[in-house]
Amino acid sequence: GESVGLHLPTLSVQEGDNSIINCAYSNSASDYFIWYKQESGKGPQFIIDSRSNMDKRQGQRVTVLLNKTVKHLSLQIAATQPGDSAVYFCAENGGGAQKLVFGQGTRLTINP
Amino acid sequence: DAGVTQSPTHLIKTRGQQVTLRCSPKSGHDTVSWYQQALGQGPQFIFQYYEEEERQRGNFPDRFSGHQFPNYSSELNVNALLLGDSALYLCASSFYSGGSTDTQYFGPGTRLTVL
Repeated sequence: GESVGLHLPTLSVQEGDNSIINCAYSNSASDYFIWYKQESGKGPQFIIDSRSNMDKRQGQRVTVLLNKTVKHLSLQIAATQPGDSAVYFCAENGGGAQKLVFGQGTRLTINP
Repeated sequence: DAGVTQSPTHLIKTRGQQVTLRCSPKSGHDTVSWYQQALGQGPQFIFQYYEEEERQRGNFPDRFSGHQFPNYSSELNVNALLLGDSALYLCASSFYSGGSTDTQYFGPGTRLTVL
């Protein structure tokens, strides 16, 4: 069945360091992946998305890496700032569907 | 440019009651999806509306129904509320491009508590 899992439920990093949040997916037909940031009491905020024909996609301070062979993707955040503290979700579309399948999320904490 | 808006922000109901949640999509978007997010979990897809019809549905019972209006806004209705329906209900809007999955932008959510 469809599922998206995250390797770690929590991640703590020093301010200024780079953060890497990992995500595994099980549906080999998935061709669309998206990352959201959710702060307490708010809805998920779009960060970046990528498609299966992109091994790497870069945005402002963020990079998505996709390894289709092992069905793994990661979100890299450069020079982590206190405002990056949140829960991060990856989601996939299960192979062309318009719905998104979310994982449980990773809580990112920034230490001063 | 207004983002996705939802109302109400919070709602408290008792078991067996019915509830209606509302969503206005981001300007220029024509598709609305609804998700349920239990505490500490990722959002779960309920259904999606496009051209005033339900286009896709997740694993939710018929107690969950929806509607989309000509102005693309949408309602989520839940009948015969159960304690387990307590959650954050999220609306996401997108523009249907006719290709693969379109980027969905979320609203702030409606926090529903069932007592």
